[in-house]
Amino acid sequence: DSGVTQTPKHLITATGQRVTLRCSPRSGDLSVYWYQQSLDQGLQFLIQYYNGEERAKGNILERFSAQQFPDLHSELNLSSLELGDSALYFCASSVTGLVQETQYFGPGTRLLVL
Amino acid sequence: KNQVEQSPQSLIILEGKNCTLQCNYTVSPFSNLRWYKQDTGRGPVSLTIMTFSENTKSNGRYTATLDADTKQSSLHITASQLSDSASYICVVSDTAAGNKLTFGGGTRVLVKP
Repeated sequence: DSGVTQTPKHLITATGQRVTLRCSPRSGDLSVYWYQQSLDQGLQFLIQYYNGEERAKGNILERFSAQQFPDLHSELNLSSLELGDSALYFCASSVTGLVQETQYFGPGTRLLVL
Repeated sequence: KNQVEQSPQSLIILEGKNCTLQCNYTVSPFSNLRWYKQDTGRGPVSLTIMTFSENTKSNGRYTATLDADTKQSSLHITASQLSDSASYICVVSDTAAGNKLTFGGGTRVLVKP
């Protein structure tokens, strides 16, 4: 158990809908990362937050947005969902978000768009 | 374009045997290289992190090597166990892109009794 929690574990929704994925980092970690893992694309970095502020951005679509709240939990919002958004979404956390730090991954949220 | 290529795509080995996984990258400028183990349906778990000045790092039966000149890394698994069956992912960090990580496609290892 990494200490990172994600909810929900599974989510089934329809195209065009909007969903929110939630992540609580390990106690004491200030930085949160979001990743998408699909069968054909592997793991891709979406976005990183540090202490409430966006720090780095990866291959995140404009239909997706995220934020980190004062209590350090983070939410990833996915809107106008398409079939291709079906994937595992992982959240990870690290202490200060420096490049050399170990990132601890949560168990993931499996999203299925029908 | 920054890329991370892993080989082989998959590997079957007998319990107790050793194996070596390869990772080649074109990420530049380079910050660090990580190896993760990912069990099916679970989040990746960090095995090793190496900066450009390190050329080997061990974590139990896992030993990673790095040649920053040739941009190659390997992960050696010694005396494999059934629990080593997983995907092993090579990840490279680019200093110019903050903390952006580029992931390889992974090598799926199956250890048979």
